Amino acid sequence: GAVVSQHPSWVICKSGTSVKIECRSLDFQATTMFWYRQFPKQSLMLMATSNEGSKATYEQGVEKDKFLINHASLTLSTLTVTSAHPEDSSFYICSAKVYSETQYFGPGTRLLVL
Amino acid sequence: TQLLEQSPQFLSIQEGENLTVYCNSSSVFSSLQWYRQEPGEGPVLLVTVVTGGEVKKLKRLTFQFGDARKDSSLHITAAQPGDTGLYLCAGAITNAGKSTFGDGTTLTVKP
Repeated sequence: GAVVSQHPSWVICKSGTSVKIECRSLDFQATTMFWYRQFPKQSLMLMATSNEGSKATYEQGVEKDKFLINHASLTLSTLTVTSAHPEDSSFYICSAKVYSETQYFGPGTRLLVL
Repeated sequence: TQLLEQSPQFLSIQEGENLTVYCNSSSVFSSLQWYRQEPGEGPVLLVTVVTGGEVKKLKRLTFQFGDARKDSSLHITAAQPGDTGLYLCAGAITNAGKSTFGDGTTLTVKP
C-alpha cells in the first residue's frame, strides 16, 4: 500500500513553454500533498503544501504564479511550471499523506528546459 | 538556519564496516522519519519513530529516537554495497504539519 505515482517521469521542453506534472496517490486518499524540488546531491526543498479543495501554501521564495499547483481531488495534484526557463531544470518530487500519517513519495520527475 | 542538522554529509566506507548517521535539532518533533533515496528516484520510507527513546530495527539498520525527541540516529551494521544511497531524516513538529528535511548523508559502500 501507500503508492504514489508521478507522470511524466522525465520531460524535455523548450524555454518559454509550460509543463504539467501529475502526482497521484494510487491506493489511498491523500488529505495533503507536497511538492519538492531537488538539485543533484542535495536534500529536498519544499516548494508548496497542497490540500484538496483549497489553495496551495507556498514556501518563502517560491513564485506561486510560476509554479501553479492544483489539488482537484483526494488522489490527484498537479504542478505546472509556467514559461519554463533553463534554471527551472530540476528533479521535482511529490509526496502524499493522510492527516498525521507519514508522507509517501512519488518516483520524481526530471525536467530539462532547453 | 537549518532546523535539522544531519551528519556526516558524505561517508565512504568498505563493505562490512559499521556506520552511524546523526540527525540533530533544537526543536522537539512529534515524529521523525528516515528515508533512503537512490539517484533518479523518490525517497523510500525506512522507518517512523514517534516515542522518545524508541529503538527500531530493520534487519541491519537500527534507528533510535532521542529521549527528548530532538535527535535521532541511524546505525548500519556490516554495510553492503546495496546500502549505497542518500539517507534523509525528516521531522514534523506537529502531527498535521509539514516535515523538515535534513541535508542528507550520501553513503557509498565499496565492495
